[in-house]
Amino acid sequence: KQEVTQIPAALSVPEGENLVLNCSFTDSAIYNLQWFRQDPGKGLTSLLLIQSSQREQTSGRLNASLDKSSGRSTLYIAASQPGDSATYLCAVKDQGAQKLVFGQGTRLTINP
Amino acid sequence: EAQVTQNPRYLITVTGKKLTVTCSQNMNHEYMSWYRQDPGLGLRQIYYSMNVEVTDKGDVPEGYKVSRKEKRNFPLILESPSPNQTSLYFCASSLQGAFGSGYTFGSGTRLTVV
Repeated sequence: KQEVTQIPAALSVPEGENLVLNCSFTDSAIYNLQWFRQDPGKGLTSLLLIQSSQREQTSGRLNASLDKSSGRSTLYIAASQPGDSATYLCAVKDQGAQKLVFGQGTRLTINP
Repeated sequence: EAQVTQNPRYLITVTGKKLTVTCSQNMNHEYMSWYRQDPGLGLRQIYYSMNVEVTDKGDVPEGYKVSRKEKRNFPLILESPSPNQTSLYFCASSLQGAFGSGYTFGSGTRLTVV
């Protein structure tokens, strides 16, 4: 059974810092991995989608990497801003499974 | 704008009163799914649909029903809601659920059952 873990559960940093969020998964037989952002009580906004054959994806200040063999992904946020404060969720799409398996998320706070 | 639309956004109801949460997508996606999100338990899949008239149970289907009569719509039905169904619900869609397409989520429906 696939399990997804995100560490740390919460992170607070000053504005302007570069930071890394971690995601690990137990079964490497995945189709893809997707990073989402969730603001309190709101919906999930897709940030980046990495296919199993890819090593990384970039969008603006965000860069996500995937090491399928070791079961790890990182989300790198450059030059953090207070507007980046949110919960970040990673989710994997297992081969043969019709669902996403989510981590518990990292709650990120960027202090002005 | 490509999106998944859920209604209502907020709902307070009483135990046993049947309700329906609607979900509609405008991206011609074959795959649609419902999740619930609870503190400490994360996001869990309730039901999914691979295409019209094809639905299947997820991890926590008890107490819920779904239907897929049209490609764009995937309503979630609670025939007799109970307080343990108080949760934040999300509908999602994907171009091809079995392969590498990403998921698009709706804005969520916060349900309170008293």
